[in-house]
Amino acid sequence: NAGVTQTPKFQVLKTGQSMTLQCAQDMNHEYMSWYRQDPGMGLRLIHYSVGAGITDQGEVPNGYNVSRSTTEDFPLRLLSAAPSQTSVYFCASSIDRGLYEQYFGPGTRLTVT
Amino acid sequence: LAKTTQPISMDSYEGQEVNITCSHNNIATNDYITWYQQFPSQGPRFIIQGYKTKVTNEVASLFIPADRKSSTLSLPRVSLSDTAVYYCLVWNTNAGKSTFGDGTTLTVKP
Repeated sequence: NAGVTQTPKFQVLKTGQSMTLQCAQDMNHEYMSWYRQDPGMGLRLIHYSVGAGITDQGEVPNGYNVSRSTTEDFPLRLLSAAPSQTSVYFCASSIDRGLYEQYFGPGTRLTVT
Repeated sequence: LAKTTQPISMDSYEGQEVNITCSHNNIATNDYITWYQQFPSQGPRFIIQGYKTKVTNEVASLFIPADRKSSTLSLPRVSLSDTAVYYCLVWNTNAGKSTFGDGTTLTVKP
């Protein structure tokens, strides 16, 4: 049982490039979410999903796309990277949208130059 | 989503009890108060969650007054390994989302 896994761990992009951050969980959790954390700051919700085929926007969705074709995977796509997207990205999952703890992945550290 | 306010930092010594208070004046009926702990270069880890009165688990207690506009996380007898950032968030069970504040950096000294 690996929990929540994220790849890659580190990534450097040039402005304007696109990429996909991968997130997978093996706990059969319905709810998954993406956060970004800027240095010295708290986490901000980008997008979330309450189940396969259902996604919704969080606080800071601009510049990011998500899809949820399976229960296990919830990739985050950066459409055209900008320096303002330099951050650490965390994926999380929980049993459902209710009162259950979220399990966080180890994070992806992204630098956009 | 309800916003939360916490102290930016706190210092303590090993063996002391630490209480971190969080303010959430705009909490709604369906909101639950949740606390997470985060170590450097790691994702947050769930500590405790509650709705009202007192909740206790093996690592912490959570005190929530009747008006629910604030909450206090209590860590008994802290050790050096409790040095971390602690986040209070209000989990909206209808929307299935919440807002993390900027957290409280707790430093435990020997």
